[in-house]
Amino acid sequence: GEDVEQSLFLSVREGDSSVINCTYTDSSSTYLYWYKQEPGAGLQLLTYIFSNMDMKQDQRLTVLLNKKDKHLSLRIADTQTGDSAIYFCAETTPGGYNKLIFGAGTRLAVHP
Amino acid sequence: EPEVTQTPSHQVTQMGQEVILRCVPISNHLYFYWYRQILGQKVEFLVSFYNNEISEKSEIFDDQFSVERPDGSNFTLKIRSTKLEDSAMYFCASKSGGGSYEQYFGPGTRLTVT
Repeated sequence: GEDVEQSLFLSVREGDSSVINCTYTDSSSTYLYWYKQEPGAGLQLLTYIFSNMDMKQDQRLTVLLNKKDKHLSLRIADTQTGDSAIYFCAETTPGGYNKLIFGAGTRLAVHP
Repeated sequence: EPEVTQTPSHQVTQMGQEVILRCVPISNHLYFYWYRQILGQKVEFLVSFYNNEISEKSEIFDDQFSVERPDGSNFTLKIRSTKLEDSAMYFCASKSGGGSYEQYFGPGTRLTVT
């Protein structure tokens, strides 16, 4: 069945890079996503990658996809205190309706 | 920038009561979704809705749940007889068309069943 796993917590120093990891089980996943949730807020779509890509870069964000190992990562360069949030990995599978399957979320804490 | 809105932000209800959670998706979007997040657990898919009918639903979405698009702007989730275990954050999401893979989420409605 479909499952997405993430580590639950990551602590980094301001200015360092953060790397949040995710593994998924469904080899038919077509798109993989990163969403950000700040306290009391909804889920903000950060970025996503199509499964035939290895990497996608968007300003400070770099997504790496290893399809063989079913491993997705999100790298945040020059992490700032405003990046403190919960980051959710999600996948979707072929088909027109595209329900998202989420991981449990990784809480990123950025300290001075 | 267009966004998905949800009302109310927090709803408290007694067990057995009916609740309706409301969402206004982004205006030109065609696909609509409800998800829920029980405190401390994963965000779970409930239902997707397209062309005025349910396109997919999860095991959670039983006969107690229903969705409706009563007019051109609102998308609602009704729980007929709430249970304690329905307490969760409910998120609405929408996407523009079949060729789009970007789902945009609302801020959520926190439902507390007492």
